[in-house]
Amino acid sequence: DVKVTQSSRYLVKRTGEKVFLECVQDMDHENMFWYRQDPGLGLRLIYFSYDVKMKEKGDIPEGYSVSREKKERFSLILESASTNQTSMYLCASKSGGYQPQHFGDGTRLSIL
Amino acid sequence: GQQLNQSPQSMFIQEGEDVSMNCTSSSIFNTWLWYKQDPGEGPVLLIALYKAGELTSNGRLTAQFGITRKDSFLNISASIPSDVGIYFCAGQWSGTASKLTFGTGTRLQVTL
Repeated sequence: DVKVTQSSRYLVKRTGEKVFLECVQDMDHENMFWYRQDPGLGLRLIYFSYDVKMKEKGDIPEGYSVSREKKERFSLILESASTNQTSMYLCASKSGGYQPQHFGDGTRLSIL
Repeated sequence: GQQLNQSPQSMFIQEGEDVSMNCTSSSIFNTWLWYKQDPGEGPVLLIALYKAGELTSNGRLTAQFGITRKDSFLNISASIPSDVGIYFCAGQWSGTASKLTFGTGTRLQVTL
């Protein structure tokens, strides 16, 4: 079974802090994704990566950056956290072609 | 970004009843996926469909890939209390990283 592990289930940070969310997958997948999920807005893609050190912006990249130094790990960085970044963050990974995305359990992030 | 039209938005049914939900798009996809999300958790893949007209089952769940490639439906037979959750459809077009377009979700509640 595919295992996508997010480092924290719940996180509370303060406005202005630099926040790191980590995601690790164990299936040698090329593609990894970061989403945020908000009530009424569904899942929105922040960034994705299709290879090590490669990244592309999704639909809502503002205020975020990402890092993929190793194939199995994809990090989401909030450069200077703001209260409007309070949300559920979901990481996903997939292999190439038609294969589906598999999601982690999510990190519920609160910015105070 | 675009969201797929998913209906119904919510359903309240009795245990043992069958459930049907569907998802429509204005554009075609070459993969349809169905996920279930429990409160506070990440989405879990239920069924993946790869060919127009394909009918696939996973236990009490059956899903079909519409012949026009613009729609899909999911049926749940003989519902049980643990079927409670939010069901999402997602369309995928094979390309760079194969980004997903998600449905708006169907919230299912089951009473005894």
